[in-house]
Amino acid sequence: QKEVEQNSGPLSVPEGAIASLNCTYSDRGSQSFFWYRQYSGKSPELIMFIYSNGDKEDGRFTAQLNKASQYVSLLIRDSQPSDSATYLCAVKRGSYIPTFGRGTSLIVHP
Amino acid sequence: DGGITQSPKYLFRKEGQNVTLSCEQNLNHDAMYWYRQDPGQGLRLIYYSQIVNDFQKGDIAEGYSVSREKKESFPLTVTSAQKNPTAFYLCASKTGNTIYFGEGSWLTVV
Repeated sequence: QKEVEQNSGPLSVPEGAIASLNCTYSDRGSQSFFWYRQYSGKSPELIMFIYSNGDKEDGRFTAQLNKASQYVSLLIRDSQPSDSATYLCAVKRGSYIPTFGRGTSLIVHP
Repeated sequence: DGGITQSPKYLFRKEGQNVTLSCEQNLNHDAMYWYRQDPGQGLRLIYYSQIVNDFQKGDIAEGYSVSREKKESFPLTVTSAQKNPTAFYLCASKTGNTIYFGEGSWLTVV
């Protein structure tokens, strides 16, 4: 059974700080890693994804992979109150259907 | 505009009734999915379809049924056999390596 684990939180950070969200996965053959943001009562929206060959930066967001320890991180720089949401990690091997974690709740307080 | 449209957004079901949730996409995606989300449970896969006229059970298919007669449409029926159907239902489709979600449908049993 492939597993994706996330701390449910909430993770609370002050406005302007760096928020660091982590996700561990059990399938060592995982090749694609996704981060979704979900506001309360809304559907998940894709923030970014990375492959097993490298990290990625997109604006204030950076996704990093540590293959040896089997975890993927999402860093949010200059956190804003509008970043307050639940962040879902998803992991995928090849053409398989991705496995989702339960999400981490992030609260950015002014 | 291209996208994934789910309807209705809110639905109330009496016990013993079957209800059908609609999912339509105009993105020309082959693969479509249905997920269920309960508080604190993350996303659980109900059914998926990789191509027209073909679909497979996901992790929690019992009490649900689907059809895929057209590429654009993937309706989900929640049958009376589903004993605890109150949840947030998400339809999704896939392009390349990435899954995108519709806005979701809230189903409540009354």
